[in-house]
Amino acid sequence: QKEVEQDPGPLSVPEGAIVSLNCTYSNSAFQYFMWYRQYSRKGPELLMYTYSSGNKEDGRFTAQVDKSSKYISLFIRDSQPSDSATYLCAMRPNTGNQFYFGTGTSLTVIP
Amino acid sequence: EPEVTQTPSHQVTQMGQEVILRCVPISNHLYFYWYRQILGQKVEFLVSFYNNEISEKSEIFDDQFSVERPDGSNFTLKIRSTKLEDSAMYFCASSELAGGSEQYFGPGTRLTVT
Repeated sequence: QKEVEQDPGPLSVPEGAIVSLNCTYSNSAFQYFMWYRQYSRKGPELLMYTYSSGNKEDGRFTAQVDKSSKYISLFIRDSQPSDSATYLCAMRPNTGNQFYFGTGTSLTVIP
Repeated sequence: EPEVTQTPSHQVTQMGQEVILRCVPISNHLYFYWYRQILGQKVEFLVSFYNNEISEKSEIFDDQFSVERPDGSNFTLKIRSTKLEDSAMYFCASSELAGGSEQYFGPGTRLTVT
């Protein structure tokens, strides 16, 4: 199943760096786009969600959706060691409850 | 802050045995979900549940799986006859609204089938 593709990393950055995490997808019916953070051996924690195209900002986090390119991004500004986790993208169509997840990108922020 | 809880955190069972995984969703949420994550693989949707019935299920959710809301607070996933390939993390999630873009996940139950 390759509906959602995400580079697994690992990605390692110094503290304070801007981090860019990305997913691509193939199903043009996807309308809702979510980003989750998952610490080791924990459940996914919802960070942000966006509907359709555009940007959404929440503190140090910005989510972008480009539906024409079927490409979504999560930017983390001023990254902190506490941001070290696996970041999962998820998406779903306008109808239905099923989320489709990416494999997750493992991020380490080095102090 | 309200959260989804799951018990047990780790369950070890023998192949062919029945297991029940338990979840307590966030109290004002009406929509409930089960997902699983096989080690090193994607989180996969299993089933969604609303108003005491299944609203959607994936191909993975075959006849060996069932869900139930036995009372006002618990939501359970039963696997009737476990197989080795059922070994995975099982996550429960809940949402307040239909469609549930804001699905909140529990910490998961690690199921190991031997």
